Amino acid sequence: SQTIHQWPATLVQPVGSPLSLECTVEGTSNPNLYWYRQAAGRGLQLLFYSVGIGQISSEVPQNLSASRPQDRQFILSSKKLLLSDSGFYLCAWSVRWGGTDTQYFGPGTRLTVL
Amino acid sequence: KNEVEQSPQNLTAQEGEFITINCSYSVGISALHWLQQHPGGGIVSLFMLSSGKKKHGRLIATINIQEKHSSLHITASHPRDSAVYICAVKRRGKIIFGKGTRLHILP
Repeated sequence: SQTIHQWPATLVQPVGSPLSLECTVEGTSNPNLYWYRQAAGRGLQLLFYSVGIGQISSEVPQNLSASRPQDRQFILSSKKLLLSDSGFYLCAWSVRWGGTDTQYFGPGTRLTVL
Repeated sequence: KNEVEQSPQNLTAQEGEFITINCSYSVGISALHWLQQHPGGGIVSLFMLSSGKKKHGRLIATINIQEKHSSLHITASHPRDSAVYICAVKRRGKIIFGKGTRLHILP
């Protein structure tokens, strides 16, 4: 069966510090991978999606970046965090070819920028 | 106006009541998802619909493509159903989320 992991679960960082959130998927190959953010009081927002190693599409201009160094690893990064980067970050995966389009979400990382 | 609108925003009901959450969208879509977000933040995908109706346990989801409307029903609601329910539509490879409906079931 497939599982998706995210770490850390919670993170408190000062403004201007770097960020690295990691997401890994087990039990499937060649997935589509997604990073979402849910800011307090707001809905889910798609930040990045990837259809393969090294292939990243950005949905929203911001100071965040994403990388996919391996097939089942998706990393969200920032060089300098802003207060507005606080939120709940969710990674998700879906089957790339011939799937039902269902996305499976990870447990999330709650980021607080002080 | 948001492309995906959910109603109500908040709903409190007694255990056992029949619950309906609505989702309307204004764009052409290829699929619609219903998601459940638990108080801790974890998200579970409940249904993916492109037409008709789906049922899983006490949950029923319907979609009317012509009217651009979907409903999520919960029968015999229980306090453990308390969560935020999110509607999301897929359009041209992109996913657009509603803001969610916060459901609280009282014992």
